[in-house]
Amino acid sequence: LAKTTQPPSMEAYEGQEVNVSCSHTNIATSEYIYWYRQVPHQGPQFIIQGYKDYVVNEVASLFISADRKLSTLSLPWVSLRDAAVYYCIVTDDSYGSSGNKLIFGIGTLLSVKP
Amino acid sequence: GPKVLQIPSHQIIDMGQMVTLNCDPVSNHLYFYWYKQILGQQMEFLVNFYNGKVMEKSKLFKDQFSVERPDGSYFTLKIQPTALEDSAVYFCASSVAGLSNERLFFGHGTKLSVL
Repeated sequence: LAKTTQPPSMEAYEGQEVNVSCSHTNIATSEYIYWYRQVPHQGPQFIIQGYKDYVVNEVASLFISADRKLSTLSLPWVSLRDAAVYYCIVTDDSYGSSGNKLIFGIGTLLSVKP
Repeated sequence: GPKVLQIPSHQIIDMGQMVTLNCDPVSNHLYFYWYKQILGQQMEFLVNFYNGKVMEKSKLFKDQFSVERPDGSYFTLKIQPTALEDSAVYFCASSVAGLSNERLFFGHGTKLSVL
């Protein structure tokens, strides 16, 4: 499983766009990139996933560098409800891996100010 | 969207007792997971389960831990006997087929307090 590196914390004001970076320099060709977030007293919630290039959904967008060693989660117009810990995770589908086991790091704590 | 339900939300027990944490996964999902999160710390993988068998477990999955899903009902995590260090929030998750391009759906967790 590839390790990921994220900033431990970020701050933003309501209405701002927030970009959270993630480095995964040892990512293998079989690995996908996931972003989850966790608010207090709840389980992690899926945000977006990608393999390469650019992915967008109704919640966020994900840019993945050409060499796939860096990804950036973009949250448009954050609100107070977006305050959470954001996790960047890569998973492994290689032989011997069982199930889509996610290995969480410490994530990025996003604080949103009114 | 699909939901994973965990029962109870909070369980308080005395050290040495047995406890069973229950998880009702998404109905068509076949892979199940348990994670442990101590307050203020990162989420730790415990075990995943498929077709009635443990597929993979971490070092945190002690001999006192067991999982099962009898007759397709709740997916359970049993701890017998409990220890003080088992106090944590336990999250259940499920996925359709356990592939690396599938998302996991998590429950809201069961907070276990061992006294």
